[in-house]
Amino acid sequence: DIQMIQSPSSLSASVGDKVTITCRANQSIATYLSWYQYKPGTAPKLLIFPASILKTGVPARFSGSGSGTDFTLTITSLQAEDYATYYCQQSYRFPPTFGRGTKVEI
Amino acid sequence: QVHVVQSGAEVRKPGSSVKVSCEVSGTTFRKYAVSWVRRAPDQGLEWMGGVVVGLSKVHHKQKFQGRLTITADESTTTAYMELSSLTSDDAAVYFCALGHYGSGLYLPLDYWGQGTLVTVSS
Repeated sequence: DIQMIQSPSSLSASVGDKVTITCRANQSIATYLSWYQYKPGTAPKLLIFPASILKTGVPARFSGSGSGTDFTLTITSLQAEDYATYYCQQSYRFPPTFGRGTKVEI
Repeated sequence: QVHVVQSGAEVRKPGSSVKVSCEVSGTTFRKYAVSWVRRAPDQGLEWMGGVVVGLSKVHHKQKFQGRLTITADESTTTAYMELSSLTSDDAAVYFCALGHYGSGLYLPLDYWGQGTLVTVSS
């Protein structure tokens, strides 16, 4: 299975900060990379796929970049509603696999 | 508007089985693949398996082979996940989610259920 390594596992940030999360695959996945936002008690939300394309309705402060093995999720000007855990996922090869998540905390 | 509604929380004893349902409305059920994903405490998300509804094709992550059963009923637009031989490691929140399937790949998950908490305790 393709391994997805996310870093950091958690970070503390303030409202208005710029936040960067990285995700590395242990083999090339082209741009078959998704980012999800998860808040406990709610359904995960697909933010970006492939790699840099925001899903409809996702605020423009979110952006994604990368291809091959290295990817980045950036949140410019963090908002209160952005405190959550973010997961990357590859869908390049079966089975789909997720990173272990990055928890964004105050 | 797509709605994905899962069945309620379950408590099971070690060695038993659990079956979770996932009812889909507001879209054409058969054009999707339904995936099952779990999140164990302090763990990340784990894709377990899925069913390509229109093709009646089921896939499992290898670690669950033999104890995971995934089905889909087009008449009721409901998918099911049954996990047997439960251990404490299976205690988790289980999600169903809809995505597309193409070229042998499960593509990203656009619509998710609210999650079902499964507790495994003697």
